Amino acid sequence: QQQVKQSPQSLIVQKGGISIINCAYENTAFDYFPWYQQFPGKGPALLIAIRPDVSEKKEGRFTISFNKSAKQFSLHIMDSQPGDSATYFCAASMGQTGANNLFFGTGTRLTVIP
Amino acid sequence: NAGVTQTPKFRILKIGQSMTLQCTQDMNHNYMYWYRQDPGMGLKLIYYSVGAGITDKGEVPNGYNVSRSTTEDFPLRLELAAPSQTSVYFCASSWTGNDEQYFGPGTRLTVT
Repeated sequence: QQQVKQSPQSLIVQKGGISIINCAYENTAFDYFPWYQQFPGKGPALLIAIRPDVSEKKEGRFTISFNKSAKQFSLHIMDSQPGDSATYFCAASMGQTGANNLFFGTGTRLTVIP
Repeated sequence: NAGVTQTPKFRILKIGQSMTLQCTQDMNHNYMYWYRQDPGMGLKLIYYSVGAGITDKGEVPNGYNVSRSTTEDFPLRLELAAPSQTSVYFCASSWTGNDEQYFGPGTRLTVT
């Protein structure tokens, strides 16, 4: 059973456009929601993360929107660039309750066309 | 800092063989993790450790074993390799169980 559901599987965006990736979860005990970026042949790297006490977090061109009541969160990439082409994973964990496990979505392959 | 290092980068095993995937971190992190990544499936947690001498199972522990004798090292052992264990394996570490995890470059394992 997939604890975190991610969509779309793949996304093609023109340079300068907005990329939007969505995730949904069921377990209300989750209290940490990171997004990881992975380039081919590399390990994932943290891009941005949010905790449920805020509804939005922005770092440069990357924004997480978080809707606690809907149990959904999304990644917005503004002014998308070819260098953003990578696979993006959302994740969730409940580390503060001791489980320490990150549950990953299935990933979104983003391609930004020049 | 080298961060999280993994060896080997690639390995081909025959069914029934055993091997150890090595993972070392130099950030003095307490928490360490092993994940496997299969195409279209995201990453699944195999085992994790909250400190030297303490390990626990993740989502998909069957067929694997781990040990944590030092803070730096967290090897993953495959005892009887099966084709279902063909995957890319990532080791990660973090300060606590609820913050950024730093990933190694991965080991691509094929079992035939």
